Amino acid sequence: AQSVTQLGSHVSVSEGALVLLRCNYSSSVPPYLFWYVQYPNQGLQLLLKYTSAATLVKGINGFEAEFKKSETSFHLTKPSAHMSDAAEYFCAVSGRRGSSNTGKLIFGQGTTLQVKP
Amino acid sequence: GAVVSQHPSWVICKSGTSVKIECRSLDFQATTMFWYRQFPKQSLMLMATSNEGSKATYEQGVEKDKFLINHASLTLSTLTVTSAHPEDSSFYICSADSWGSLNTEAFFGQGTRLTVV
Repeated sequence: AQSVTQLGSHVSVSEGALVLLRCNYSSSVPPYLFWYVQYPNQGLQLLLKYTSAATLVKGINGFEAEFKKSETSFHLTKPSAHMSDAAEYFCAVSGRRGSSNTGKLIFGQGTTLQVKP
Repeated sequence: GAVVSQHPSWVICKSGTSVKIECRSLDFQATTMFWYRQFPKQSLMLMATSNEGSKATYEQGVEKDKFLINHASLTLSTLTVTSAHPEDSSFYICSADSWGSLNTEAFFGQGTRLTVV
């Protein structure tokens, strides 16, 4: 079984400040991990993914995340927040290619990022 | 990444009518498609998994007779919400995957916002 917990349903930062969105996962099989962003009334956009290569993953728009197996975490960070980063962020887990959970995403509850001027 | 097209992007229907949502993979063969539902201010919940040419597998709590899924070809899956009611109003999103490929992720459509009045 797989699950994802995002700590903090709402995070508020000032423009230019560090962004840290927390994600912890549980998986009985080696996982793939993803971060998606969703703007109001839009679909999902993939920010980055971990697929068992480098544990520090760099994504689009200056975001990155580090896979820490010992902590079962995959926190998302960005050094300097922009106003345009205000959105809903989802962490998700799936099984690796070849597992029964391949492609099937289990999402966290989501974190709303507010960026204050 | 691969392109998945979902249609329509939004639909309003009267209570008691049925609505069909299409999900197409435009540049690859999708052996598996997933359907998710997202209520306002909530996360995405997997509804069902469909494999081309076979019956869909529904998640616990999802009524298979109400949410009819057809995956008759490698590029098209449809979700039909039968006898829709206001509580079915939601954002529906599909994703498509390709078994045997080197993909490490499924690809999402743009989503369909269904409003039942």
